[in-house]
Amino acid sequence: AQSVTQPDIHITVSEGASLELRCNYSYGATPYLFWYVQSPGQGLQLLLKYFSGDTLVQGIKGFEAEFKRSQSSFNLRKPSVHWSDAAEYFCAVGARGSTLGRLYFGRGTQLTVWP
Amino acid sequence: DAGVTQSPTHLIKTRGQQVTLRCSPKSGHDTVSWYQQALGQGPQFIFQYYEEEERQRGNFPDRFSGHQFPNYSSELNVNALLLGDSALYLCASSLNREPNQPQHFGDGTRLSIL
Repeated sequence: AQSVTQPDIHITVSEGASLELRCNYSYGATPYLFWYVQSPGQGLQLLLKYFSGDTLVQGIKGFEAEFKRSQSSFNLRKPSVHWSDAAEYFCAVGARGSTLGRLYFGRGTQLTVWP
Repeated sequence: DAGVTQSPTHLIKTRGQQVTLRCSPKSGHDTVSWYQQALGQGPQFIFQYYEEEERQRGNFPDRFSGHQFPNYSSELNVNALLLGDSALYLCASSLNREPNQPQHFGDGTRLSIL
């Protein structure tokens, strides 16, 4: 069965520090992979996606993620965190096929940024 | 270019009541998916509608039903509300003929059950 694990429920970093949010997935084949960000009271905003090709993908707001098939991981990184990055981050996996169907989400990682 | 819009923003109901949530997809999109996000959890897939029919369904009881209209907008209906139905309900839209494009999410409807 498909599943996503985000092992860190809450991470605190200082502004300007680097960031890595972990994501591991379980899926029978190569999936579609996504990172979304959610601010309080808001919906989900797509940060980046991996469908195929280069395993290092660039996203918005200076984020990047690397797909590692051997580790079933898709970790999100940012070299220098800004206070405005404080939010909840969700990793998601979707099935490949003729249509993009349901997404399976992890439980999220809450990011706090200290000034 | 309007994104995904959901109404209402907030809703308070009591146990046993019924509720209808509404979603207008992003302009040009024809597929609508609904998710339930309980407090402190990630979104869970309820179902997806395309061409006015339910195409996929997650592990939710029959109390959860939906509809898609010819203009691609959609409704989520929940009957016999339980306290556990309190959650943020998210609508996402996409274009069926472009499966490589990600879903776009609305800001959700916050449903509180008393």
